[in-house]
This record gives sequence, C-alpha cells and structure tokens, in this order.
Amino acid sequence: QQQVKQSPQSLIVQKGGISIINCAYENTAFDYFPWYQQFPGKGPALLIAIRPDVSEKKEGRFTISFNKSAKQFSLHIMDSQPGDSATYFCAVYGQNFVFGPGTRLSVLP
Amino acid sequence: KAGVTQTPRYLIKTRGQQVTLSCSPISGHRSVSWYQQTPGQGLQFLFEYFSETQRNKGNFPGRFSGRQFSNSRSEMNVSTLELGDSALYLCASSRQTITSVTTPNEQFFGPGTRLTVL
Repeated sequence: QQQVKQSPQSLIVQKGGISIINCAYENTAFDYFPWYQQFPGKGPALLIAIRPDVSEKKEGRFTISFNKSAKQFSLHIMDSQPGDSATYFCAVYGQNFVFGPGTRLSVLP
Repeated sequence: KAGVTQTPRYLIKTRGQQVTLSCSPISGHRSVSWYQQTPGQGLQFLFEYFSETQRNKGNFPGRFSGRQFSNSRSEMNVSTLELGDSALYLCASSRQTITSVTTPNEQFFGPGTRLTVL
C-alpha cells in the first residue's frame, strides 16, 4: 500500500489567516494530486487538484504548491474563514486514489 | 442534477452477519468506486466498477465484494462481518473509469453509509 503522509493532524487558524497543510508521497509514478474537503456527515468533495507538470495552481483563495523533486505538495488557504472549518485530505493517483490521513482545520471567528 | 445517493445511511449489524450497501451514481456516470473510511486507517480504496466490470481492487479481504448493474447502480457486500468492519462506507462516481491512462476523472462522493458492527 502506497503511503501518503499529511501534516499537521489538526490546525487552528484565526479568521483571515493563512492555513497551510502539507503532504508527502513516496512513489514517483503518481500523476494527479487532488485535495478534498469533507464536512461532518458529508462525503469528501474535490477542492483543487494539480498535475506534476506545474509547480503551482490557484483557484480563488486556494492554492496548491507542488515540489516534484521533494515529492511534496501543499494546500494554502488564504483569508481563512470559519466556513472553511472541515477535514482536508490530500490524495495521489497512480492506478487508483490513495488518501492522506486528513487534517482537521478549525478557523476561529 | 442529483448527486450520488447511498442507502441506507445508517446500519447496525452483529458479528457474522452480512450486509449489502447500495450506491446510485450521478446520471451519466459509468464508474462507481467504493471506499472505507475509519478514524484509524482513513480513507481506503476498496474497488471500482465500470461498465459492470471490476476494474481495480484495493487491499481488502475477499469478504468485501461488489457488483454493478446495467444502469450503473452498484452494490457492495460484506460477508461474515467483523467488529473492525465498522466504518463509513463511501461510494464515488465519475464519468469514466478512474483507471484511465489519460485524465483521471473527478470523483463525486456520496454521503456514505455508516455501518456499525456489534
């Protein structure tokens, strides 16, 4: 089973602050790196994704930074809002999706 | 457009029993993948069905099985339930198979079925 390491396990940020979640993977054969957001009682929802041929992708307040040589990628949430409070999962895709253990984000009002 | 629906939402079973979970994908989606989510192991891939064929399988015992019907609806079966099978079972649908050699398709997750094994 491929491993995906994700940190931190939990994160508390003040409203308006920047939330940063990191992921690291082992296998270089992955070619798609999505982030999912999950609210309690709901299934995960795709937030943003990146391919290894670019180093950064931005969609609104969400940015993925990708470091292929280090086999790491991170999610940055700018101007964090209480509504962003959720669990975030990174994933890698080779032949199927392998997910990180998740980060519980709490944004304080 | 209706999302992915899963039934039932909650289920309580006892050890040794078997259970069948159902997933209806988004209209037009032909791929259904199943995942197990637990606090300890996180989200783990079980298997994917595309056009009624199992396309890929995760590292789970044979007690976990599934099938897909011609209308793309899928069922997952777990036989001889164990306490460790207690989990949230999620299905996700996508337009094409996630094992495509080109662009992996975005998956849309359902709300899950919460299975408790006593």
